[in-house]
Amino acid sequence: QSVLTQPPSASGTPGQKVIMSCSGSSSDIGRNTVNWYQQLPGTAPRLLIYENNKRPSGVPDRFSGSKSGTSASLAISGLQSDDEGDYYCTSWDDNLNVYVVFGGGTKLTVL
Amino acid sequence: EVQLVQSGAEVKKPGESLKISCETSGFKFSDYWIGWVRQMPGKGLEWMGIIYPGDFDTRYSRSFQGQVTISVDTSITTAYLQWDSLKASDSAMYYCARQGVVSSNPIYYWGQGTLVTVSS
Repeated sequence: QSVLTQPPSASGTPGQKVIMSCSGSSSDIGRNTVNWYQQLPGTAPRLLIYENNKRPSGVPDRFSGSKSGTSASLAISGLQSDDEGDYYCTSWDDNLNVYVVFGGGTKLTVL
Repeated sequence: EVQLVQSGAEVKKPGESLKISCETSGFKFSDYWIGWVRQMPGKGLEWMGIIYPGDFDTRYSRSFQGQVTISVDTSITTAYLQWDSLKASDSAMYYCARQGVVSSNPIYYWGQGTLVTVSS
């Protein structure tokens, strides 16, 4: 069971906007920043959003992140078929011997 | 260019030992936290632990403490993940991951993954 809670699935049609949620607690998201990773089928994950809302070089501005309290969200606008894959949120847990915590992932289907 | 190149797929029997590697280049190895992430078949990502090559400070997730050993060889800028006695439940894809200069930094770079299969 993952420490961070994500809906198992999300879907949208090309061009639409999709928003995925990530729910945590006061010891993780409530105190620390959130990062998002994209994992396309058969590939290694890649960093999509870091420190809640920053995009690494090369990530299109169609991807955006936000955080409020103990929850965070990832928005993808102008949905494309290439966006189909799994999306994971992570944060840091201040409890000893927990450190990085992942959400269970949201599988995005582009209809 | 930052690169993390992992060793190839492994097929092992329960009880056997294993050490997989992650050869790095393109950055100052001693300055960045290097870790490992497990992905069991059809499942999500699990953070296993990290090591700081500068002083060998190593931290494990509670779930993996005592189950694996993370180490580095600074002379060849390579990180390792080791098991003393494999179980069938260790079958998974393992990703090497470079975090930042601070242990709480995100994973900026990933290796291509090493598939470990443990079966009798």
